[in-house]
Amino acid sequence: AQSVTQPDIHITVSEGASLELRCNYSYGATPYLFWYVQSPGQGLQLLLKYFSGDTLVQGIKGFEAEFKRSQSSFNLRKPSVHWSDAAEYFCAVAEYSGGGADGLTFGKGTHLIIQP
Amino acid sequence: DTGVSQNPRHKITKRGQNVTFRCDPISEHNRLYWYRQTLGQGPEFLTYFQNEAQLEKSRLLSDRFSAERPKGSFSTLEIQRTEQGDSAMYLCASSLQGSYSGANVLTFGAGSRLTVL
Repeated sequence: AQSVTQPDIHITVSEGASLELRCNYSYGATPYLFWYVQSPGQGLQLLLKYFSGDTLVQGIKGFEAEFKRSQSSFNLRKPSVHWSDAAEYFCAVAEYSGGGADGLTFGKGTHLIIQP
Repeated sequence: DTGVSQNPRHKITKRGQNVTFRCDPISEHNRLYWYRQTLGQGPEFLTYFQNEAQLEKSRLLSDRFSAERPKGSFSTLEIQRTEQGDSAMYLCASSLQGSYSGANVLTFGAGSRLTVL
């Protein structure tokens, strides 16, 4: 069965500094990978996804992620964080059955704190 | 398009009572998913529907949990005889699954928070 590991429970970054959130997955075939963000009282919002092709994918709000098959990783990056980026970030991998993608397996999340 | 709507947003109940949550997906989406999220954890997949057919339900947490999507539009998640361990956020998501059997993008609602006293 597939799984997702987000090694960092909390990360604190100064406003304006760069950010990298780590994600490692376990999946036998080519994975379909996602990053979602969750703010308090809000639903999960899709930041970006990797299905195939270019391994560096661009998302909303200035985020990008790089798929590295050799490292089974899909790390999320942002060159300069803003106070509004403080939230919970979840990495996810699509699940499959004979009928196609059934849903998502999520990591436990990384809580991002922005220091002024 | 008003997104995925979930009601109620908050529910407080006493142990042993039954609760029901409703999810209204994006209108053109044919798939609907239910997840549970406990504090400090990522969402945990429970079940999903394609139109009115429930294609996966083996991961519902116990036989006290059931879900329906009778007309392929809105869905309900019912928890019978609630226990304190059922306290969590229950998330609904929807997607459009076409003939392509690849992955699809899930759009989530804001969730229904359950507190069992």
